[in-house]
Amino acid sequence: AQSVTQLGSHVSVSEGALVLLRCNYSSSVPPYLFWYVQYPNQGLQLLLKYTTGATLVKGINGFEAEFKKSETSFHLTKPSAHMSDAAEYFCAVSGGGKSTFGDGTTLTVKP
Amino acid sequence: EPEVTQTPSHQVTQMGQEVILRCVPISNHLYFYWYRQILGQKVEFLVSFYNNEISEKSEIFDDQFSVERPDGSNFTLKIRSTKLEDSAMYFCASSAGQGQIYGYTFGSGTRLTVV
Repeated sequence: AQSVTQLGSHVSVSEGALVLLRCNYSSSVPPYLFWYVQYPNQGLQLLLKYTTGATLVKGINGFEAEFKKSETSFHLTKPSAHMSDAAEYFCAVSGGGKSTFGDGTTLTVKP
Repeated sequence: EPEVTQTPSHQVTQMGQEVILRCVPISNHLYFYWYRQILGQKVEFLVSFYNNEISEKSEIFDDQFSVERPDGSNFTLKIRSTKLEDSAMYFCASSAGQGQIYGYTFGSGTRLTVV
């Protein structure tokens, strides 16, 4: 069994500020972890993924995430927010034949 | 960049009617999926399809649902007798390897409204 908890359904940051979106997971097997982004009226787009190896993974658009097994976390960060980062972000965990998604976090970027 | 194409983007149907949602996955992908998202709820797994057969399905995917890859390019989801609770955004996804390991490429979705 696997599950994902995204802390904070809405996060608001100023342009140029640090973005931090939190994700904690539960998995009975070593997990594969993902972050997806969804812009309005579009499908989900893969931002980055952790499978094995380096625990700090870099993705598209300047995002990165760190896998911390001891904390069962996979938080998404970006040093400097841009207006175009405004979207909904989903954390997902896979441990079997499918992925389980979190509830999503809506990121708002203020000018 | 290759993309997954879904049609129609919106579908309104009466309760009890059959609907077919269509998807054209990326051409060299081998694994195909349907997920759905009821408004305000999580993205939920429905079914995975590989080598012309269902490899896994969720509890949601009951006898009212079926999938088919009728030719080399299309992948369809059929709901035989729609219910109000089937109203959701349905996402098709494909992947070259297993999507739960490598990540999915999603289409833009079909918003299904059952009235």
